[in-house]
Amino acid sequence: KAGVTQTPRYLIKTRGQQVTLSCSPISGHRSVSWYQQTPGQGLQFLFEYFSETQRNKGNFPGRFSGRQFSNSRSEMNVSTLELGDSALYLCASSNILAATTDTQYFGPGTRLTVL
Amino acid sequence: DQQVKQNSPSLSVQEGRISILNCDYTNSMFDYFLWYKKYPAEGPTFLISISSIKDKNEDGRFTVFLNKSAKHLSLHIVPSQPGDSAVYFCAASDPGGGADGLTFGKGTHLIIQP
Repeated sequence: KAGVTQTPRYLIKTRGQQVTLSCSPISGHRSVSWYQQTPGQGLQFLFEYFSETQRNKGNFPGRFSGRQFSNSRSEMNVSTLELGDSALYLCASSNILAATTDTQYFGPGTRLTVL
Repeated sequence: DQQVKQNSPSLSVQEGRISILNCDYTNSMFDYFLWYKKYPAEGPTFLISISSIKDKNEDGRFTVFLNKSAKHLSLHIVPSQPGDSAVYFCAASDPGGGADGLTFGKGTHLIIQP
């Protein structure tokens, strides 16, 4: 069974630009969650999508958005990039809502650098 | 306001000895806790979990202890092996009403010395 895949793995953007990251969950999983990892803040929850609907949202500004397609693949978009958005963005999939007692399977992440 | 705290950014342990990683939380609504292990350039992988109805869960060399009154949990690794060198994240979930997914600590970098 293939794991969670994220593309691209590395990305360099400049301030003010926008970026779209992609995540393909494990086959059969309907939940995709996005996390931001930075050295200072650790792992922070961005949002969760389940069956194409955003179910949970973390404390991030509206510049961070996402969507999920009917095949459960998810995209995350960050508009008007700031230097502080430089981070590792992790996607995780699970077969039920992540906020319940299930465990999540993480992808390798997309390393975003904003210059 | 950090709801899950891992106060030791790093920990160095000799191979064969016990590694103890600690985690404190402030939200009394958390009732499910997980530990993840992360190697460089890889996503975190699930290690072990514990429900609040238990105070101990064991899986091979890994044991997690939960002290609800102290809002504290710990991960014990016995014996520690070189492959255990990684960053360990403690995470908590509030399935009853949480709208914030999993809440993670900042991680502890465990270094196993030969």
